[in-house]
Amino acid sequence: NAGVTQTPKFQVLKTGQSMTLQCAQDMNHNSMYWYRQDPGMGLRLIYYSASEGTTDKGEVPNGYNVSRLNKREFSLRLESAAPSQTSVYFCASKVVGPTGNQPQHFGDGTRLSIL
Amino acid sequence: DAKTTQPTSMDCAEGRAANLPCNHSTISGNEYVYWYRQIHSQGPQYIIHGLKNNETNEMASLIITEDRKSSTLILPHATLRDTAVYYCIVRVAGGTSYGKLTFGQGTILTVHP
Repeated sequence: NAGVTQTPKFQVLKTGQSMTLQCAQDMNHNSMYWYRQDPGMGLRLIYYSASEGTTDKGEVPNGYNVSRLNKREFSLRLESAAPSQTSVYFCASKVVGPTGNQPQHFGDGTRLSIL
Repeated sequence: DAKTTQPTSMDCAEGRAANLPCNHSTISGNEYVYWYRQIHSQGPQYIIHGLKNNETNEMASLIITEDRKSSTLILPHATLRDTAVYYCIVRVAGGTSYGKLTFGQGTILTVHP
């Protein structure tokens, strides 16, 4: 059982280049999330998808777009990468149950450097 | 979501219990306490969560005070692999934020041989 899988694990881009970070979960979870983590800071939510077919902005959405391709997959796109987007990106997912208190489960992250 | 306060760092001897405190004095009645940890270079790992009753799973125990203003995560027999940053998070289940987790600075737990 792989859980949440993120690809690639590492990437180096030049300023202005574009790329898509991939995330897939095999737990049949409804909700999926993208966070970024910068040194000395906690995780900050970029975008989330409460269910298949819906996406919403989080705390720091500028410069990013997302696609909930299907129930399993939630991708994050940087259209024109900037050095300020150098970070570790984490994808997470959770099932949505009747009480809404289920925990999120995280992937191992994509380490992105933008030169 | 309620603010949490955790010690910056703690040490523990291998094989001993690690008791990690968290203060959440402004917690509301419908807010849960969640614990996650992050081992270097890995994604956050869910440990346990609870509302008001004490909880136990294969990883840890969670003790929540009767007034719910503080809690303690207990790792009963700490190993070197438990060295990590531990995050205490308080949040409302469901709601319009739809599961957004707010990670603070956490507690760096170092387990020594």
